[in-house]
Amino acid sequence: NAGVMQNPRHLVRRRGQEARLRCSPMKGHSHVYWYRQLPEEGLKFMVYLQKENIIDESGMPKERFSAEFPKEGPSILRIQQVVRGDSAAYFCASSPRQGAVEAFFGQGTRLTVV
Amino acid sequence: AQRVTQPEKLLSVFKGAPVELKCNYSYSGSPELFWYVQYSRQRLQLLLRHISRESIKGFTADLNKGETSFHLKKPFAQEEDSAMYYCALNPGLNSGYSTLTFGKGTMLLVSP
Repeated sequence: NAGVMQNPRHLVRRRGQEARLRCSPMKGHSHVYWYRQLPEEGLKFMVYLQKENIIDESGMPKERFSAEFPKEGPSILRIQQVVRGDSAAYFCASSPRQGAVEAFFGQGTRLTVV
Repeated sequence: AQRVTQPEKLLSVFKGAPVELKCNYSYSGSPELFWYVQYSRQRLQLLLRHISRESIKGFTADLNKGETSFHLKKPFAQEEDSAMYYCALNPGLNSGYSTLTFGKGTMLLVSP
């Protein structure tokens, strides 16, 4: 089991472009969480998804950000029309079931907007 | 809303010295508290959680509800303990799922 896989590890985008961040959960895990870490800050919860469902998106910015976790394939965090303030590390975590205490984290994607 | 505070950005000690990484929280209910660790170039991983009351790699943490603290301690630091440490709070399972609120992290540097 390779663990939670995120790609790309590093992503550079110009202002106004779109960023797509991918997260493949651990085998057998159907629950995915996305977190964002701004410079000098702790990780902040963004969204919680199960297969084909968004359960909690209370931490997602209202505009430009969206997430999905399709029946097949990885979870995608999509940021449209990126701005400099979107530069951050984005972490994905997965867990095997609802309410699982422990979530396993990926290595993160570092997004830089130039 | 819940909040986790780690007052120290950096803690530097010598090998063999005791270590205490501070964590305070604010939450009106009964939270679950965790410590996560991130070694250089590695992913964030769970170190320990208060409900299990265990010692991992010599580290312990006791939940003090009166002081709303969950400090991480180790009596004798080792060089391999050098890492970024995050305190995290799970507001509980009443909602049927768990999300974490993290502190800003403390970098622990252990010198030989």
